[in-house]
Amino acid sequence: ETGVTQTPRHLVMGMTNKKSLKCEQHLGHNAMYWYKQSAKKPLELMFVYNFKEQTENNSVPSRFSPECPNSSHLFLHLHTLQPEDSALYLCASSQLTGADTQYFGPGTRLTVL
Amino acid sequence: AQSVTQLDSQVPVFEEAPVELRCNYSSSVSVYLFWYVQYPNQGLQLLLKYLSGSTLVKGINGFEAEFNKSQTSFHLRKPSVHISDTAEYFCAVKVLTGGGNKLTFGTGTQLKVEL
Repeated sequence: ETGVTQTPRHLVMGMTNKKSLKCEQHLGHNAMYWYKQSAKKPLELMFVYNFKEQTENNSVPSRFSPECPNSSHLFLHLHTLQPEDSALYLCASSQLTGADTQYFGPGTRLTVL
Repeated sequence: AQSVTQLDSQVPVFEEAPVELRCNYSSSVSVYLFWYVQYPNQGLQLLLKYLSGSTLVKGINGFEAEFNKSQTSFHLRKPSVHISDTAEYFCAVKVLTGGGNKLTFGTGTQLKVEL
């Protein structure tokens, strides 16, 4: 059973829509991450939040806007996306000690029409 | 900067046969090493990790991996695979110092177990 949940699991949106992805972790962790997984490409780290503060933005286009209101919740706000943004978006969390092992949610499969 | 190479994009194997999925890494500093598995339409699940100590690490579902510092490798093995092991396997590395939270992944190996 995963301690990281993501909603929705599937999302289809038009290029002019605005939608949000939600991630919640029940592990008491203090770091959260957004990754993009496209077919035939390595996982791409998008954003990192430590103690609710963004510590990494991996040159992500501004049409992706993250929000971390507390250590348990992470959002990814989407607007005016492109078809090439279609992918599996994975959320992960970790405890910022030791090996800092990341635990992943099931992902949101996003299709942009 | 660190990098991870998974040489095999696909590995077909018959059920009950042994399997080895290869992972090599490059880093100028000490690292932690991880293997994750991704079943179809799911997220990544941690299989096992090497932090320190014994170089042979045992994980879930009968998998194990051996850290070889001189070869900079962390190959994943299972002595007898099952149909349910069909999935994509990712090797990942995290540097002990100076890398922040960053986890660097390989491109993945698709394990296909056949009857």
